[in-house]
Amino acid sequence: DQQVKQNSPSLSVQEGRISILNCDYTNSMFDYFLWYKKYPAEGPTFLISISSIKDKNEDGRFTVFLNKSAKHLSLHIVPSQPGDSAVYFCAASASGGYNKLIFGAGTRLAVHP
Amino acid sequence: ETGVTQSPTHLIKTRGQQVTLRCSSQSGHNTVSWYQQALGQGPQFIFQYYREEENGRGNFPPRFSGLQFPNYSSELNVNALELDDSALYLCASSVDGQGASGYTFGSGTRLTVV
Repeated sequence: DQQVKQNSPSLSVQEGRISILNCDYTNSMFDYFLWYKKYPAEGPTFLISISSIKDKNEDGRFTVFLNKSAKHLSLHIVPSQPGDSAVYFCAASASGGYNKLIFGAGTRLAVHP
Repeated sequence: ETGVTQSPTHLIKTRGQQVTLRCSSQSGHNTVSWYQQALGQGPQFIFQYYREEENGRGNFPPRFSGLQFPNYSSELNVNALELDDSALYLCASSVDGQGASGYTFGSGTRLTVV
């Protein structure tokens, strides 16, 4: 039972363009969502989060959008840089971001010069 | 800050054996969570410890157990290893009150069961 789905295993984008990573969820009890970035041989690192009471959160080049009615969130990276090439995980929590996180399978982003 | 250190980095065990994985939390972090990441999947929550007590558990059998020590370092023990236990095991530490946005993950232990 996959409660968090990232349907695109990979995404290729040209440097300077926008990267859009998508995530769908099924559990309406989720109230907090996060994006993590993972480089090879390293642990995931926190990127940005959003509470279910908001529909948008921005941090520099990164913006997360939440559409609760569609149970969908997306991460926008503008402009994309080669250093953004990594695996991106979407995660959801039903406890405000504390305790158990449910992760998607990840999307591998490749940003080409 | 020294970050989160996990040991060993790689491990090969035989089916039926027992294994102990270790996690040294970031300085000042009193909460630790363990995740299992199978190949091609996202991390799956195993359990969380706060001040030496388990305060949350995922859908894993009792042969997965843990400990958190007074210095907030942690162990994950797996008994009666099965082939499907082959995965990357990640620990994440945080400070109580910070939540997942404050997680610092270690680089993981790659366990292979043969």
